[in-house]
Formats: sequence, C-alpha cells, structure tokens
Amino acid sequence: KAGVTQTPRYLIKTRGQQVTLSCSPISGHRSVSWYQQTPGQGLQFLFEYFSETQRNKGNFPGRFSGRQFSNSRSEMNVSTLELGDSALYLCASSRGDGGYTFGSGTRLTVV
Amino acid sequence: AQKVTQAQTEISVVEKEDVTLDCVYETRDTTYYLFWYKQPPSGELVFLIRRNSFDEQNEISGRYSWNFQKSTSSFNFTITASQVVDSAVYFCALSEGGGTGAGSYQLTFGKGTKLSVIP
Repeated sequence: KAGVTQTPRYLIKTRGQQVTLSCSPISGHRSVSWYQQTPGQGLQFLFEYFSETQRNKGNFPGRFSGRQFSNSRSEMNVSTLELGDSALYLCASSRGDGGYTFGSGTRLTVV
Repeated sequence: AQKVTQAQTEISVVEKEDVTLDCVYETRDTTYYLFWYKQPPSGELVFLIRRNSFDEQNEISGRYSWNFQKSTSSFNFTITASQVVDSAVYFCALSEGGGTGAGSYQLTFGKGTKLSVIP
C-alpha cells in the first residue's frame, strides 16, 4: 500500500516568487491536511481539504492557499514568498476518521 | 483553545536505559484524541498511537508503553530498553474528538522532545 507522496522533496526559491507543492494521499483517503514546521513555531496547521472542499483553515495569511482535485490529490501554493516561509511542509491524509498518515514533507528554502 | 505541552526539550540516555517522555494537554472538549508521532531525521512523521478520551487503559506495544491519565491531563510515553534507532524527535498531539463544526480533526502539536540514545 503506497503511503503519502509529497513532491518535490526539496525546493529553493527567491523572495517574492511563488511556489506550488503537491501531495498525493493514500488511495481511498479523501481528506488531506497541510502543516508547516519551523524551528521557532513548531508544527502548525495550515488547512484541510475533504472531497475538494476546504473545511478548515489555520491562522495563516492569504498568501497560503490550497486546493484538492477529484482524485484527492492536493496542492498548496504560497505566493510572494518571504524568508520566514522557509520550512518543512508536511501533508497528511486521512479517511476522515481523525487518523492521519503523514508524508515525508517538502523542505522549502527561501533565499 | 487546545494546548499541548512537552516540557522536555531534549533528553539523552544511554542505550538500554528506560526513558519517559512527558505530555500534558489542555482542552475544553470532553471527547478528544491524543496522539504520539516520531520524527526521524528524514522528516516524516511516523504514527505511533492514537487514544480517545474515553479509553484510559494503558497500552503496551513491544518496548513502547503509554500512560493516559485524564485526572492530570497527561499522556506519557515510555520506551523500555532504549535503542539507538529510537533517536528522533517525538511529538504529542491532540485533536477534538468530534471534529470542528465541519468535521475536521485539526491536530495541535506540542513542541516535541528530541531523544538521543547514546550507544
């Protein structure tokens, strides 16, 4: 059974650019959540999608957005990148019962 | 508001020693879930256990055991006879059992405890 796949694993971007990260959940899982992990703030919830609808959002600026496709794959986008957006971005998939399986993450570096 | 506190930032033990990682949580919900995850240097969060608020039975899985006490709002994790492969950052997390109004189970994480097992 394939796990949660996140691409790319590593990314380097310049301030002001935008970036798109991808997450493919476990087959059959309809919920995808995104978390940001930084040394200072720890793991913070970004948003969750279920059946192509965002049903929960964390306390992040509007530069952070996401979407989910009909095959449950999800993308998150960060526009106008800032140095503080450098982080490990983790995706988690779930059947919707509160149990989460995480991917290996995308490590974003903004220079 | 939910909160998870892991007071131990870093712990070092010698291989084969037992070690307990502490987790204290705050929530106003009567139904909630508690989790432990392990994060090795590769970055992936590896699921270890989920426990709901109505199940206070302690659990043992191999060298791992968990002690859930609602009276003290604690969910501690013990590794018996630690091994070098146990070296990682361990996170305790909490979610509302009934989900948010839209049925979303948002996880609130503690800051993590970095465990180093020295050979």
